Amino acid sequence: GIQVEQSPPDLILQEGANSTLRCNFSDSVNNLQWFHQNPWGQLINLFYIPSGTKQNGRLSATTVATERYSLLYISSSQTTDSGVYFCAVESVYSGAGSYQLTFGKGTKLSVIP
Amino acid sequence: DGGITQSPKYLFRKEGQNVTLSCEQNLNHDAMYWYRQDPGQGLRLIYYSQIVNDFQKGDIAEGYSVSREKKESFPLTVTSAQKNPTAFYLCASNGHNPPEAFFGQGTRLTVV
Repeated sequence: GIQVEQSPPDLILQEGANSTLRCNFSDSVNNLQWFHQNPWGQLINLFYIPSGTKQNGRLSATTVATERYSLLYISSSQTTDSGVYFCAVESVYSGAGSYQLTFGKGTKLSVIP
Repeated sequence: DGGITQSPKYLFRKEGQNVTLSCEQNLNHDAMYWYRQDPGQGLRLIYYSQIVNDFQKGDIAEGYSVSREKKESFPLTVTSAQKNPTAFYLCASNGHNPPEAFFGQGTRLTVV
């Protein structure tokens, strides 16, 4: 099946710093999402971004599908940004309409005051 | 409020018992999913259902069972055959356009 690798696995930032999280995937995808898992375990949708660039406030994401990677940018980080960021993809071979997502292992972000 | 509701939030199971985790959605989504998360790991797919009365095994279905009698509901039973059931369980549903997944708040299951 499709492989999803996220880097770095851990990241510690001073409040106010910027960061870039990376997601590499091994096959063509027709769905890619970024999630933030908060300390209580809830997965919050950040972006649905199978290709192109999107921005939402201090967060933005870019997916280059032809090169099989996606980047999540966090600017002016805040302590509330702490948690685990997951990239999840659906392979084009997963079956029409199944929407099966394969998750990476995540990047654990800690923002310190 | 539209969303996905999982219950209970915490569940304790004795060895040899079956337990059922509830998942309800009011988003009118056809597709629903169960994932398992172990500490420091990503999510792994247990079962999914694309339509009422139909469901498919995911990557780690052994020791689990599901039903899909109503569009809104997709309960997961963790059976005594599941060798290592202690984990965080997340339910999701998927829209079509765009095919974006949304998650419930999760159930933390502990075997005692």
